[in-house]
Amino acid sequence: DAKTTQPTSMDCAEGRAANLPCNHSTISGNEYVYWYRQIHSQGPQYIIHGLKNNETNEMASLIITEDRKSSTLILPHATLRDTAVYYCIVRVAARGSTLGRLYFGRGTQLTVWP
Amino acid sequence: DTEVTQTPKHLVMGMTNKKSLKCEQHMGHRAMYWYKQKAKKPPELMFVYSYEKLSINESVPSRFSPECPNSSLLNLHLHALQPEDSALYLCASSQGLAGVTNEQFFGPGTRLTVL
Repeated sequence: DAKTTQPTSMDCAEGRAANLPCNHSTISGNEYVYWYRQIHSQGPQYIIHGLKNNETNEMASLIITEDRKSSTLILPHATLRDTAVYYCIVRVAARGSTLGRLYFGRGTQLTVWP
Repeated sequence: DTEVTQTPKHLVMGMTNKKSLKCEQHMGHRAMYWYKQKAKKPPELMFVYSYEKLSINESVPSRFSPECPNSSLLNLHLHALQPEDSALYLCASSQGLAGVTNEQFFGPGTRLTVL
């Protein structure tokens, strides 16, 4: 069962920051937040993950609220190639019955326009 | 090599046919996965293999039969499928099942049509 809620769709102008929100109000203490994206007709691609601190890599930044009930994925300078469905997923990284499982919710369709 | 390859890219089969999907990775990953994705829906987990042993079967019908002949290969054998089984079948791999940075690498998928 997906434990996250995301808006169905969002738009962003090319070159601007895209901020994609995710609610995970029932997240447990040992669950991480992961973001994947799926460009049309391709397999999903890992973007970033975090537990409670903000994280940044070459693709994006992840901001997690202090109570960990929500997070925001930031693409700092969106390009047309960032048009995709973005999935926010919570999962246990260590032992547990959900080990190895990624439960994808409906995701957010991000459209970047020129 | 950070790629997961899947063959064939497209497959059309009748309900009485037997066919197989193939997935391959050479990243030394010890966990491999099959997902099913219907149009405009998110991927759904079907099977997980860990160290070449079936670890998770998400109550998938027996007309889908997975096989992991070695650590680099994962097959999905198909028999007596129904038209509602038409979907994109995605393969993924990861270093293992556990671990914080244990991201899954996905292949491009096989688009299956059952007539």
